[in-house]
Amino acid sequence: AQKVTQAQTEISVVEKEDVTLDCVYETRDTTYYLFWYKQPPSGELVFLIRRNSFDEQNEISGRYSWNFQKSTSSFNFTITASQVVDSAVYFCALSELGGYGNKLVFGAGTILRVKS
Amino acid sequence: DAGVIQSPRHEVTEMGQEVTLRCKPISGHNSLFWYRQTMMRGLELLIYFNNNVPIDDSGMPEDRFSAKMPNASFSTLKIQPSEPRDSAVYFCASSLARTGDYEQYFGPGTRLTVT
Repeated sequence: AQKVTQAQTEISVVEKEDVTLDCVYETRDTTYYLFWYKQPPSGELVFLIRRNSFDEQNEISGRYSWNFQKSTSSFNFTITASQVVDSAVYFCALSELGGYGNKLVFGAGTILRVKS
Repeated sequence: DAGVIQSPRHEVTEMGQEVTLRCKPISGHNSLFWYRQTMMRGLELLIYFNNNVPIDDSGMPEDRFSAKMPNASFSTLKIQPSEPRDSAVYFCASSLARTGDYEQYFGPGTRLTVT
């Protein structure tokens, strides 16, 4: 069965520090998709990125970068030069394919607190 | 384009009352999901629909919960009778469910408090 583990329950950093959020997944599927979502204090869940299992290239978007390593079943998320507005709960998720294909399994989330 | 719309945003009700939560998915999306989020259990998938048909309702807690999707642009989640332990934030999400496009877009959530 699919499983997503976010071992870091809570991380606190000072503004401008870099921070990496870990995500480890388990799946028997050969094709799958990984996602990161952000849940700021206002409560909504915001989609950040999707990565498919065939594409192991790292991705960078502004201060955000993602490192996908199939060999270690990890999909880590790094925020460079963190800002207070990055304070949120971050969820990693894995697609459960088959049938209609797009059920997501979410990790427990990591609370990120960025202090000024 | 409008995102996923949920109503009401907040609902306070007394134990035993019926509660109906509503969701309008993003136009053109063919999959719709209902989630519940609590501190204790995190984000749980309750049920999901594909092309208006319920596919997996294994997450629905018990018979007090029911969900319908009468057409592609509307879904309801009903709790009858409600209990204090149903207090949570309920999210609706939709996706296109096309190969390579599996990300789900979430509504703002309905915060339900049952007293």
